[in-house]
Amino acid sequence: DQQVKQNSPSLSVQEGRISILNCDYTNSMFDYFLWYKKYPAEGPTFLISISSIKDKNEDGRFTVFLNKSAKHLSLHIVPSQPGDSAVYFCAASATDDKIIFGKGTRLHILP
Amino acid sequence: GAVVSQHPSRVICKSGTSVKIECRSLDFQATTMFWYRQFPKQSLMLMATSNEGSKATYEQGVEKDKFLINHASLTLSTLTVTSAHPEDSSFYICSATQMAYEQYFGPGTRLTVT
Repeated sequence: DQQVKQNSPSLSVQEGRISILNCDYTNSMFDYFLWYKKYPAEGPTFLISISSIKDKNEDGRFTVFLNKSAKHLSLHIVPSQPGDSAVYFCAASATDDKIIFGKGTRLHILP
Repeated sequence: GAVVSQHPSRVICKSGTSVKIECRSLDFQATTMFWYRQFPKQSLMLMATSNEGSKATYEQGVEKDKFLINHASLTLSTLTVTSAHPEDSSFYICSATQMAYEQYFGPGTRLTVT
């Protein structure tokens, strides 16, 4: 049973526009959420995280929003750039437990 | 979908002993496998990249002689923590890829060194 779900396998966004990647989770014990970015032939790299005590965390062009009541989080990228084309993994963990990953969403930034 | 397994899921070992963790791709051939270490409330740390039949590429700061990685086949990679110490206690997670944009994560192995 998937505890972390990314329902969109791929997403195409025009350069300069906002990219919104979505993630849903089922385990109410999760208290820490992360987004990872992966380029071809490389391992995922950490992008941004958010603790369950917050509902928003911003880092430059990247903002993660957390809606605990809906068990939903999203990653916003504004403005989208060509280098943002990659696979994005949503992940979650509970205190002192392992990270659980979603299956990823492939983001295409169109020129 | 593709499945990656890890064995064991939990292991407790005494300080000074070695422990081996296996990572298997169950229904696909993984050209590359990655090993990560998870720290509490922190991002995963990539330890090494492992390609079948060749030596693993270790990230800076990761001791090659302490964390031995073997990728003997397209479906199996092993991580051996040698002379384990309590500070090595962590979750160790592997991932496997067959195609450039794919990445499948294992369920993780919790290592506790006493």
